[in-house]
Parts: sequence; structure tokens; C-alpha cells
Amino acid sequence: AQSVTQLGSHVSVSEGALVLLRCNYSSSVPPYLFWYVQYPNQGLQLLLKYTSAATLVKGINDFEAEFKKSETSFHLTKPSAHMSDAAEYFCAVGGSQGNLIFGKGTKLSVKP
Amino acid sequence: GAGVSQSPRYKVTKRGQDVALRCDPISGHVSLYWYRQALGQGPEFLTYFNYEAQQDKSGLPNDRFSAERPEGSISTLTIQRTEQRDSAMYRCASSLVGVNEKLFFGSGTQLSVL
Repeated sequence: AQSVTQLGSHVSVSEGALVLLRCNYSSSVPPYLFWYVQYPNQGLQLLLKYTSAATLVKGINDFEAEFKKSETSFHLTKPSAHMSDAAEYFCAVGGSQGNLIFGKGTKLSVKP
Repeated sequence: GAGVSQSPRYKVTKRGQDVALRCDPISGHVSLYWYRQALGQGPEFLTYFNYEAQQDKSGLPNDRFSAERPEGSISTLTIQRTEQRDSAMYRCASSLVGVNEKLFFGSGTQLSVL
């Protein structure tokens, strides 16, 4: 069975600081991994996805994530936080039955 | 359409009533997914379709929940004899084909069972 674990339900950073959101996965097959973002009162939007082409994946709005097989991790980073980055972020793994399995989410707050 | 459309946006119902939630995916998208999201939780997979065929319904909580997509486009998620524990945000998503393509999510239907 596949699963994802997001460490930390809330993360708070100052504007301009590094953003680091942690995700660990469990998968018996080479995984497809995703980060989605949810702004208030909106649907989820894809930030980036890993499909084995490259271990460092770049997404929208300067976000990137690095796939580390040895650590079974896919942490999301951004060098400099903006106020507009405040949202909830979900890590997900492509399930073996064709579905997408999400983590519980990490709410990011950005302080001025 | 321009995006995934879900209706109604809000649904308040009494315990024991049946409800039908509608999803209109992006035109041409083969795959359609239903998720349920409780407050403070990630989306929980319910079921998905490729065209009109239901590929996986293992996430449906019990037999009160059913879904259909008869013409391979619009889908309906039906909950019979609703219970308070069914209260949640129900989200629909579609993709060109398969889960490893980008999923486009609708804004969801907020269901409240009183």
C-alpha cells in the first residue's frame, strides 16, 4: 500500500525566509509524487510533480522539491517566502490502482 | 468548460435524506475522480472513472455511496440516507487521462447533514 506523511500540520515563516515543507512517502513501486496547493475557498492546484525524469523538480512560483529515494522523502522548498504563499500544501503519491493518495496537509503562514 | 464545475456549492440536508452531487469535468478529460475532505484533513479518495467505466470504488465508505458517469462526461455522486458523519467537502477532479497527469480540481460541494 502507498501512503504519504507530512511532518508538521502548521509551519510559520517570516517573509523572505526559506520555506521547507516535509513529506515522506511509502511505496512498493517507483512512485509518482506530487505537491498540490490549496488557497482559501479554492480547489487544489498542482505545484509540481516527480515522474523519475529528474530528482530535482521545479514548479510554479519558485517552488521546488527533491526526490530522495534513500530517505523516501520529497520535501518542498522555496528560497524566499512571499505573503501570497500562505496556503495549505498537500503532498501526494500516485496509487498503484490509479488513484492519488494525499497527505493530511501542512498549513503555511507567512509573517510580515 | 473552462474548469471543473461542481454543483451545488453548498448543500444542507436533514439526516436520512438522499443527496446528489454533480461534477462537470473539463471537456475532453478522460479521467474523473471524487474525493472527500474533512476539515483539517487531506482529500480522501472515493472513486474514479475512465470514460464511463468506474475503475476503482474502493474508497467509497459504504453502500450508501454510489457514483456514475453514464456518458463519460458529467458525473453524479449520490449519498443515500445521509448521516451526520457524511458532512464534509466533496471534491471532484479531472485529468486528460490517469492520475499521473495534472489533476484539475473543482471548488467542491460543502455538504452539511443536520
